[in-house]
Amino acid sequence: SQQGEEDPQALSIQEGENATMNCSYKTSINNLQWYRQNSGRGLVHLILIRSNEREKHSGRLRVTLDTSKKSSSLLITASRAADTASYFCATDTGANSKLTFGKGITLSVRP
Amino acid sequence: DAGVIQSPRHEVTEMGQEVTLRCKPISGHDYLFWYRQTMMRGLELLIYFNNNVPIDDSGMPEDRFSAKMPNASFSTLKIQPSEPRDSAVYFCASRTGFSQETQYFGPGTRLLVL
Repeated sequence: SQQGEEDPQALSIQEGENATMNCSYKTSINNLQWYRQNSGRGLVHLILIRSNEREKHSGRLRVTLDTSKKSSSLLITASRAADTASYFCATDTGANSKLTFGKGITLSVRP
Repeated sequence: DAGVIQSPRHEVTEMGQEVTLRCKPISGHDYLFWYRQTMMRGLELLIYFNNNVPIDDSGMPEDRFSAKMPNASFSTLKIQPSEPRDSAVYFCASRTGFSQETQYFGPGTRLLVL
């Protein structure tokens, strides 16, 4: 079953705007990770947030985690055309070394 | 480090043929994962290894799929015989043995079975 499910499935914004993507999951987690995939490429890790953390920043990225609601959000501020990609959340339950990926969000940033 | 290396990058074959996908993980990484990505099913974990030993192959779709890791720097995913529904992008990823670590993905092999 899908552990992480992203919302929305697709997002189109203008360059300079902020992009917010959400992820919900079903079971308790050890950490939650966000990855980016450019067209025709492999996934690239963006940021990891542990279950005891509520917010984390990395450059223009801000991730929040609400374990009571079993949800996370990824905010990309001042978006650029180069941010156009698919974004995936992945959950690590800590029970094994596996990550469970959602189906991804397609972000289009219009120049 | 060159990152995770996969070969070939593209493979076109005919139904019934054997397909072998190759992966070289990042040196020093203890875990290796094989994923399959399709539009319909998203990213699916097929199998993963720890210190060259298969730990969980519950995602391997059928007996036609097999994976090996003969040493710490090489793994193969074999499909025999291949079918059109096996067409997908296959990714290999690796990570260290420390807990709560991220995975590093290769560029993928795009497989088309005619």
